Amino acid sequence: KQEVTQIPAALSVPEGENLVLNCSFTDSAIYNLQWFRQDPGKGLTSLLLIQSSQREQTSGRLNASLDKSSGRSTLYIAASQPGDSATYLCAVLSNDYKLSFGAGTTVTVRA
Amino acid sequence: GAGVSQSPRYKVAKRGQDVALRCDPISGHVSLFWYQQALGQGPEFLTYFQNEAQLDKSGLPSDRFFAERPEGSVSTLKIQRTQQEDSAVYLCASSPRGGAGVETQYFGPGTRLLVL
Repeated sequence: KQEVTQIPAALSVPEGENLVLNCSFTDSAIYNLQWFRQDPGKGLTSLLLIQSSQREQTSGRLNASLDKSSGRSTLYIAASQPGDSATYLCAVLSNDYKLSFGAGTTVTVRA
Repeated sequence: GAGVSQSPRYKVAKRGQDVALRCDPISGHVSLFWYQQALGQGPEFLTYFQNEAQLDKSGLPSDRFFAERPEGSVSTLKIQRTQQEDSAVYLCASSPRGGAGVETQYFGPGTRLLVL
C-alpha cells in the first residue's frame, strides 16, 4: 500500500519568507504527483501536477520538484503572503485513478 | 462554469441513523470519486465510478457504506446505521475522462458529517 508522509505538519513564517514543504512516498511506481491546497470548509484545489517522467513544475510563485527514485517531492512557495495560509496536501497516483494523500502541512503566514 | 457541488454541507446524525450524501459532478465528467477525510488527516479513497459503473469500492470501510451513480451523473453515498467513527468530511471529485491517470481531479467542498 502506498504511504505518503508530509513534513512538517505545521509551519508558521513571517510574510515574505520562502516556504519549503516536503512530501515522501513509499512506492516509486507512480503515474503522477499532485500538490493541492485546502482552505477551511472548502474543497481541494489542484496547484501543480507533475507527471512521473517530469522533474519539476512551476506556476507563478510555486515550484514543485519530483525525485521518483528516492520517493520525494518538495513544494517551494516564494515570497509568501498571508493569502498563502492554508493546508497543503501532497497526493500520488499509483494506478489509473486512486490518489493517496499525505496528512498535509498547515501553513500560517504572519503579516 | 459550475464546479463540483455537494449537499448537504453539514449533517448531524444520531448514532444508528441512516444518512445520504449527494454529489453533483461537473457536467459531462466521466469519472467520479468519493473520499473520506478524518480530522487532521488527508483524504482516503472510498470508491470510483466510470459513468454508472462502480469500478472500485475497495475503500469502503464496511458494508454499511453504499454508493451509487445510476444515470452516470449525480452520485449518492449512503451510510446505514451510522457510528461515531463515521464522523468525517466526505469529499466528492470528478474528472473529465475515464482512466484519469494524467488528469487532475476536481473536488467539491465536502459534506461534514457528525455522528453523536
